[in-house]
Order: sequence, then structure tokens, then C-alpha cells
Amino acid sequence: EIVLTQSPGTLSLSPGERATLSCRASQSVSSSYLAWYQQKPGQAPRLLIYGASSRATGIPDRFSGSGSGTDFTLTISRLEPEDFAVYYCQQYGSSPLTFGPGTKVDIK
Amino acid sequence: QVQLQESGPGLVKPSQTLSLTCTVSGGSISSGGYYWSWIRQHPGKGLEWIGYIYYSGSTYYNPSLKSRVTISVDTSKNQFSLKLSSVTAADTAVYYCARDFSITPSGSWFDPWGQGTLVTVSS
Repeated sequence: EIVLTQSPGTLSLSPGERATLSCRASQSVSSSYLAWYQQKPGQAPRLLIYGASSRATGIPDRFSGSGSGTDFTLTISRLEPEDFAVYYCQQYGSSPLTFGPGTKVDIK
Repeated sequence: QVQLQESGPGLVKPSQTLSLTCTVSGGSISSGGYYWSWIRQHPGKGLEWIGYIYYSGSTYYNPSLKSRVTISVDTSKNQFSLKLSSVTAADTAVYYCARDFSITPSGSWFDPWGQGTLVTVSS
């Protein structure tokens, strides 16, 4: 099973700042089969990125994903008030599908 | 657009079977091309993939839950269901259904998700 580790656990930033979230896999994720989700309190996760770098439909271009192998990054170029949430990475290159523990982005 | 909605009891007694149904609207499960999945989230914790079903009835489960999980589909009602047997307090979680884009035999990304339903296991 591929274990995903996300860092930092919490990221405290101000609106307008850049957020850089890391997702590291315990072994290589084949074909960059990695997705990112945003979850707000009381809501279901929302798909942001798939295939490591492809934005899902309707996702603003301030969200971008990069990486390959074992190291992946989600970048939010300029934080908007609605971006403060928990972000999860998920790999689908190997069974079973697994998620990271999440990074909380909160307001500084 | 496709929407999913979970339904079922919010309270289940220990050792009993948890049963949930996901109703899909805005699209047909029978169209194929997607897997239909269950995912859970323990209170205040991360996400755990449970398994999926294809419209044909083919299933794939997380090995950690495989012995207790059954996922079924009713294409006539555009629904799929989850049964988890012999539940304990450790199965208390928010259960989500979601559409999987079936990129690999193991699955892929999930979009959209249902709103989720909290199931508490308690006597």
C-alpha cells in the first residue's frame, strides 16, 4: 500500500499570499496518478487536480499541481478567502487507493 | 450534471450490518465508463476508500475491509448500495458515495461526491 504524507500539517497564511502544499508518497506513483481535493467543514471533498497537474472543470487557475514519482505539490498562487480549507492528496496508481492525512490552510 | 445522494440509517448497533444507498441523478449508471465508489471519513480524520462497483456488477474492494463489504447496483433505480457487516465503533464515520473516472483497474479520481451521511455505531 502506498502511504501518502502531507506537509505541513497546518499552513497559516493571509489572503493574497501563495500557498505551497506537499504530498510525498512512500513509493513511486505510476504515471503521476495523483489527485488533489479541497474540503471545507461540513462539506464533501471537491476535486481540484487529477493526473498531478490537470485542473478539474471549473477550478480557478490560481490552483496548480506539479510533481512526479514520489513528490507532488499543490500551489495556490494567491489565496482567496474561500480557499481556507483542508486539502487532501490521493493516489490511484496502485491498489488500494489511498489518501494523505491532509493539510489545513488557515487564516493567519 | 451528475449528482449523488446517500441515504440510510444514521445509527447502527454493534455487530449488525450497516446499509447505505446512493442515488445517482443527472446521469445513468448503465451508461458505463465510470466506477461507482464508497469512501468514508472517520470523525475529524482522513479519508478511506472502501470499494467500487461497475454497472455490470463487477466490484473491487479495499483489502482492509474486503471480508465485511458488499457493494451492489440496481441499474433500474440508478442506485448502488453498500453493506458493511459486523460493525464496531471503529466503523463510525461519514460515508460518501462518489463517481470514479475508472482510469485504472483499481480506480482513479472521484468527482462528484455525495454530501455524505454520518453513521454512528452504538448500542
